[in-house]
Amino acid sequence: QSALTQPRSVSGSPGQSVTISCTGTSSDVGGYNYVSWYQQYPGKAPKLMIYDVTKRPSGVPDRFSGSKSGNTASLTISGLRAEDEADYYCYSYVGRYTWVFGGGTKLAVL
Amino acid sequence: QVQLVESGGGVVQPGGSLRLSCAASGFILSSHGMHWVRQAPGKGLEWVAFIRYDGTIKNYAESVKGRFTISRDNSKNTVSLQMNSLRVEDTAVYYCAKDRGASGSYMDVWGKGTTVTVFS
Repeated sequence: QSALTQPRSVSGSPGQSVTISCTGTSSDVGGYNYVSWYQQYPGKAPKLMIYDVTKRPSGVPDRFSGSKSGNTASLTISGLRAEDEADYYCYSYVGRYTWVFGGGTKLAVL
Repeated sequence: QVQLVESGGGVVQPGGSLRLSCAASGFILSSHGMHWVRQAPGKGLEWVAFIRYDGTIKNYAESVKGRFTISRDNSKNTVSLQMNSLRVEDTAVYYCAKDRGASGSYMDVWGKGTTVTVFS
């Protein structure tokens, strides 16, 4: 199973919005509403930010939102803050008890 | 609080074996599927293995299939990953992660990881 495709890096200024894309196929992202997003700081464990494409766990700011169109899922972070600078990974169910991550996107807050 | 603590990492030569353990606390392990995820140095996350809440279904990434075995002991609140025929490319931080559901959905809680180095 190939990794989902994410941009290697994105950047934005404080207060701006950025969107990170996650492109798969009809066998993964496009085939299931089971896309989640994880935030990871260097040397730390990942943290769940979005699940089931659009849902936000309690405690995650509403500046983070998820969406999906066809085979591409997206994570949008609005009102960028310095603490949002991290790596972000998408994750999708592929069927038959198999999952796949995206390659990861490094977000820089300039 | 919900907590996962991995152990068992270390340095091993190619072809060797290691057994990782994940101690779960703060939730009912027998109600949740469990995953192992790894991250090679400077690389992204890779899903490695999944075991259903009751242990009846297991699945693996192609890169480890036939070499790694995931298991669980709900009575001892532990999940394990037996790693055989280790290769240099298995070098990574290995994370244990709790699935939100019983039969696999998304990972909502992660351990801090344990480091495996395969080095000759």
